[in-house]
Amino acid sequence: SYELTQPPSVSVSPGQTARITCSGDALPKQYAYWYQQKPGQAPVLVIYKDSERPSGIPERFSGSSSGTTVTLTISGVQAEDEADYYCQSADSSGTYGVFGGGTKLTVL
Amino acid sequence: QVQLVQSGAEVKKPGASVKVSCKASGYTFTSYYMHWVRQAPGQGLEWMGIINPSGGSTSYAQKFQGRVTMTRDTSTSTVYMELSSLRSEDTAVYYCARSESWELSGWGQGTLVTVSS
Repeated sequence: SYELTQPPSVSVSPGQTARITCSGDALPKQYAYWYQQKPGQAPVLVIYKDSERPSGIPERFSGSSSGTTVTLTISGVQAEDEADYYCQSADSSGTYGVFGGGTKLTVL
Repeated sequence: QVQLVQSGAEVKKPGASVKVSCKASGYTFTSYYMHWVRQAPGQGLEWMGIINPSGGSTSYAQKFQGRVTMTRDTSTSTVYMELSSLRSEDTAVYYCARSESWELSGWGQGTLVTVSS
């Protein structure tokens, strides 16, 4: 079955830039979506269609795509950004959804 | 405002079935797909399947095919997810989430299903 691959963890200091990658063979064909999840809460959509930001999401969150890899970038990381981040997409046929394994962002 | 309200926590024995509901409000029910996603304790998100509330068509992750059934009731704007032949590995929080395409822009509060003898 189709898989998306994320690094298990990323650590940055406050004010620095965090980059979280997600790789998958179908990403050149299917959009990617990013979610932030804090402990005990439901996930929140922070990026859709590779690079679009929903209303209410801070401008420091951005997304990009290059070939089989998409990247979530958080500029000027704040303590409140510490959370798990998941990428999500669909298989090449657009029939089945899939999530990456998740990346724990630690703000040092 | 958009709300997805799920049914309460369940405790089931191995081999039993569970049916979780998700009642939608604040938008046109038939205009958005509904997905089910689960998260085992300490684990990541897992996509289970999708239902089109307009016509009732479904697509299930291969892992769950034969064990999961997603249905909807347009008269009450409610979708249901039934999982059968439960085993301990099915212990998880189950979420419903709506989308126009594949973006999960609204989520339910989650329903904890515990499978234990």
